Amino acid sequence: DQQVKQNSPSLSVQEGRISILNCDYTNSMFDYFLWYKKYPAEGPTFLISISSIKDKNEDGRFTVFLNKSAKHLSLHIVPSQPGDSAVYFCAASGASGTYKYIFGTGTRLKVLA
Amino acid sequence: ETGVTQSPTHLIKTRGQQVTLRCSSQSGHNTVSWYQQALGQGPQFIFQYYREEENGRGNFPPRFSGLQFPNYSSELNVNALELDDSALYLCASSLGTGGEQYFGPGTRLTVT
Repeated sequence: DQQVKQNSPSLSVQEGRISILNCDYTNSMFDYFLWYKKYPAEGPTFLISISSIKDKNEDGRFTVFLNKSAKHLSLHIVPSQPGDSAVYFCAASGASGTYKYIFGTGTRLKVLA
Repeated sequence: ETGVTQSPTHLIKTRGQQVTLRCSSQSGHNTVSWYQQALGQGPQFIFQYYREEENGRGNFPPRFSGLQFPNYSSELNVNALELDDSALYLCASSLGTGGEQYFGPGTRLTVT
């Protein structure tokens, strides 16, 4: 049972344009969401997070949007850069203090120069 | 500030053998979580250790066991290895059980 889903295995975007990565979840008990970026031969790197009490969180070129009614979150990267090419995972966890992150299967982003 | 480190980087074992993977947490972090990432999948939670005690476990059999030491480093032990145990094993450390988790580079285990 896949509680966190990333339905697009891959995405290609031109440099300078917006990248939008999507993630859906099924468990309404999730209240904390994160995005990680992973380069080959490295561990996932924390990118940005959002609590369920917010609907938007911004950090530089990265913005995460949360739509609780749709159980959907998205990561926007503007402007996209070639160095952003990586696999992006969304993850979710339950109430504050809960230890377990549930990850999606990842979306491979390729930013074309 | 030292990041999360894992050893070894790669490991090849035979079915039925036992393996121990090691993780050093980021300085100041007291919690370690272990994940298994199979090819083409996202990381799957194995268990978490907080102050040397297991704090929660995912859907993995008892032959997956762990340990955390007073310096907060950790080990993952897998007994009776199966071919399906071939995966990237990731360790993540955090400050507290609910803190954001920071991952190490992983150990690639191949079981033949």
